[in-house]
Amino acid sequence: QSVLTQPPSVSAAPGQKVTISCSGSSSNIGNTYVSWYQHLPGTAPKLLIYENTKRPSGISDRFSGSKSGTSATLGITGLQTGDEADYYCGTWDSSLSAELFGTGTKVSVL
Amino acid sequence: QLQLQESGPGLVKSSETLSLTCTVSGASITNRNYYWGWIRQSPGKGLEWIGSIYYSGNTYYNPSLKSRVTISADTSKSQFSLRLSSVTAADTAVYYCARHILRLDVRQNWFDPWGQGIPVSVSS
Repeated sequence: QSVLTQPPSVSAAPGQKVTISCSGSSSNIGNTYVSWYQHLPGTAPKLLIYENTKRPSGISDRFSGSKSGTSATLGITGLQTGDEADYYCGTWDSSLSAELFGTGTKVSVL
Repeated sequence: QLQLQESGPGLVKSSETLSLTCTVSGASITNRNYYWGWIRQSPGKGLEWIGSIYYSGNTYYNPSLKSRVTISADTSKSQFSLRLSSVTAADTAVYYCARHILRLDVRQNWFDPWGQGIPVSVSS
């Protein structure tokens, strides 16, 4: 159902960097802010990024967000084994009047 | 410190109504800056937003679920609730409640914090 497309998986060695893309349209990403969430199985999803680029208090600066047009990107630098999780983008769609989540990306540390 | 906790039956029979409650502690659900939302994750799938409610009763629902969903709030108990009717096996999921920062005038929207989630299975 989601119209926010993410790669199913990304991986890298410890200490390296990964980027996760989130592709949408003019009625969602192109029209409002994007947020990013980290979800480890069996735990509550955690907000990593809001308003495209801002980090909540307590979130490491290894996590960064950006947006250009109808796409957004989450970057994770200095990859750690504890970063292995599913990551989701989220935004509001003005045509649907609905919150959307991306399809999700599994990050693996090699 | 704001905390949210889901509660309700973990097993619902097919065709019946799923009912869950989210209890909010550490903040008032009458705060004018926030909505309060429900999100779910079915086995092997991603996050799916169900709907959100403002303390005044204004609601937004996922269009794909709108015909079966009702979200309500009890400000006296600092709780908000989800009712999902005519459930099927496809409604088996972990259900989360979360504070929804939703200010469309300034294009703000995000969820923080989230409850731990409650698994709900639909049996035939």
